[in-house]
Amino acid sequence: KAGVTQTPRYLIKTRGQQVTLSCSPISGHRSVSWYQQTPGQGLQFLFEYFSETQRNKGNFPGRFSGRQFSNSRSEMNVSTLELGDSALYLCASSLAEGRSEKLFFGSGTQLSVL
Amino acid sequence: AQSVTQPDIHITVSEGASLELRCNYSYGATPYLFWYVQSPGQGLQLLLKYFSGDTLVQGIKGFEAEFKRSQSSFNLRKPSVHWSDAAEYFCAARLDSGGGADGLTFGKGTHLIIQP
Repeated sequence: KAGVTQTPRYLIKTRGQQVTLSCSPISGHRSVSWYQQTPGQGLQFLFEYFSETQRNKGNFPGRFSGRQFSNSRSEMNVSTLELGDSALYLCASSLAEGRSEKLFFGSGTQLSVL
Repeated sequence: AQSVTQPDIHITVSEGASLELRCNYSYGATPYLFWYVQSPGQGLQLLLKYFSGDTLVQGIKGFEAEFKRSQSSFNLRKPSVHWSDAAEYFCAARLDSGGGADGLTFGKGTHLIIQP
């Protein structure tokens, strides 16, 4: 069974641009969550989707948004990029939602904002 | 505020020696607790998790963790480390909220170095 797939693997953008990252969960998984990883702030929760509905959101500005499609694939979008948005963005999927669910992480998209 | 603390940023252990990575949590209730490992350029892999019951939890790759409610701790241990254990280790916690589970709250991580 294929793991969580994130595309692209690397991305370089300039300030002010917008970016869309993609995540394909493990087949059969219906919940997708996103995390931002930076050297300074560590791993921070962005949002979680289950059955195309946003279930929870972390403490990030509105420039960060996401969505989930009927096939459970998810995208996250960052508008008006800032230098501080440079990070590794990790997607995780699980069979269902809930605190006990085991999360399977992808390898991430490394975003560099110049 | 809810938080997870990993007091050790770096730990160096000789191959074959025992290992203990510390984790403390600060929550109003006992959260679900996890340990993840991240190798360079990779995502996170779940080592083990604790929900309730037996306070000593066994995980993959020979790791175990002990939950101590009185100390709000969830320390990760391994009796004998291998060079392949060199990685970043993250302790994480999760609670339910009104609209579903909160996202994972991670500690800052402990970088494990293995000396030959």
